[in-house]
Amino acid sequence: DIQMTQSPSSLSASVGDRVTITCRTSHNINYYLNWYQQKPGKAPKVLIFAASSLESGVPSRFSGSASGTDFTLTISSLQPEDFATYYCQQTYITPYTFGQGTKLEIK
Amino acid sequence: QVQLVQSGAEVKKPGASVKLSCKTSGYTSTSHLIHWVRQAPGQGLEWMGMINPGGGSTTYPQRLQGRVTMTRDTSTSTVYMELSSLRSDDTAVYYCARENVLRIGLSFDYWGQGTLVTVSS
Repeated sequence: DIQMTQSPSSLSASVGDRVTITCRTSHNINYYLNWYQQKPGKAPKVLIFAASSLESGVPSRFSGSASGTDFTLTISSLQPEDFATYYCQQTYITPYTFGQGTKLEIK
Repeated sequence: QVQLVQSGAEVKKPGASVKLSCKTSGYTSTSHLIHWVRQAPGQGLEWMGMINPGGGSTTYPQRLQGRVTMTRDTSTSTVYMELSSLRSDDTAVYYCARENVLRIGLSFDYWGQGTLVTVSS
């Protein structure tokens, strides 16, 4: 199975901050990497697909990038509604696996 | 609009089975694979497998082989996930999710609201 190492596991930040979350995969997965946002009691919502493509309707302050087996989700200027948990996911090969999650909290 | 509507919460005893449903609407149900993902309380997301509603083919992770079965009813655009030999660590919220096939990569673009399954004696 492809292992996903997501960091940090938690992060405290303020509104307006720039935030970066990283996901490292154990094998090359090309661009088959997605980022999801999950709020308490709700289903995950896709933000970024194929490593760097912005899902329709998602604000442009969210962006994704890739370098080899390292993937990054960046939020350029945090808004109050962005405080949530974020997960990366590889869909290169089954079993599709998720990162452990990053809980983004208000400082 | 695309919707995935899941069945209600379940409480089961250890060793029992549970069968959850996911009714899809707003698109051609046979054109998109459906995946199941679960989340134990306070934990992360775990992929449980997928079904092609068109032909009925399935793929499961090895760790769940023999315990999970996914089926579909094309007449009602409903997908089912049955998990047997339930244990306490199967307590989780179970989600169905649609695979987007119309763009690069492979992502889950629509999700059900989730079904809480509690396994307790």
